[in-house]
Amino acid sequence: SQQGEEDPQALSIQEGENATMNCSYKTSINNLQWYRQNSGRGLVHLILIRSNEREKHSGRLRVTLDTSKKSSSLLITASRAADTASYFCATALSGGYNKLIFGAGTRLAVHP
Amino acid sequence: SAVISQKPSRDICQRGTSLTIQCQVDSQVTMMFWYRQQPGQSLTLIATANQGSEATYESGFVIDKFPISRPNLTFSTLTVSNMSPEDSSIYLCSVDDYLTDTQYFGPGTRLTVL
Repeated sequence: SQQGEEDPQALSIQEGENATMNCSYKTSINNLQWYRQNSGRGLVHLILIRSNEREKHSGRLRVTLDTSKKSSSLLITASRAADTASYFCATALSGGYNKLIFGAGTRLAVHP
Repeated sequence: SAVISQKPSRDICQRGTSLTIQCQVDSQVTMMFWYRQQPGQSLTLIATANQGSEATYESGFVIDKFPISRPNLTFSTLTVSNMSPEDSSIYLCSVDDYLTDTQYFGPGTRLTVL
């Protein structure tokens, strides 16, 4: 079964608004990674956050991790039409090599 | 970051046939991973390919259906055998950057089985 669950499944916003996507998981992790996928193409790596980190930033992206709640969030600020894509969280489990378990993903649509 | 290429980028195949997908990395890596993404779904790990040893398959995936080769540290192949329409998916390979734990993905192979 999927390690991660994401919500919302779909999100529709206007350009300039912020978009927040949430990810929950079930077991202890080494790290959690966020990816973007445009129209069924390859995955673009966005950001990695380790289990001992609580927050990371990269440009317009902000990721938080709460290991006590087994959850993470991805915030995209000042969204653009080019941010329209599917976003996936993926967890690397503790105690093993870095195989990733993916969440179901959030489909983000940003309207001009 | 690693640069990964896959061949073919897409293919349309007849049921009962087999297709071999190639994954090439621009640097030597220990672990390579193969994922499947069914239409409208998320990614599911098929197997982990470590150079010099047999691939490790996840629950629900078997070697007879998805044989994997890993002849060297920059290359791997995944074969989808005796295909049926249910095998229509995007197949992606990925590699680990062991220094950062970041996993990078190839562009994927879009397979349609008629």
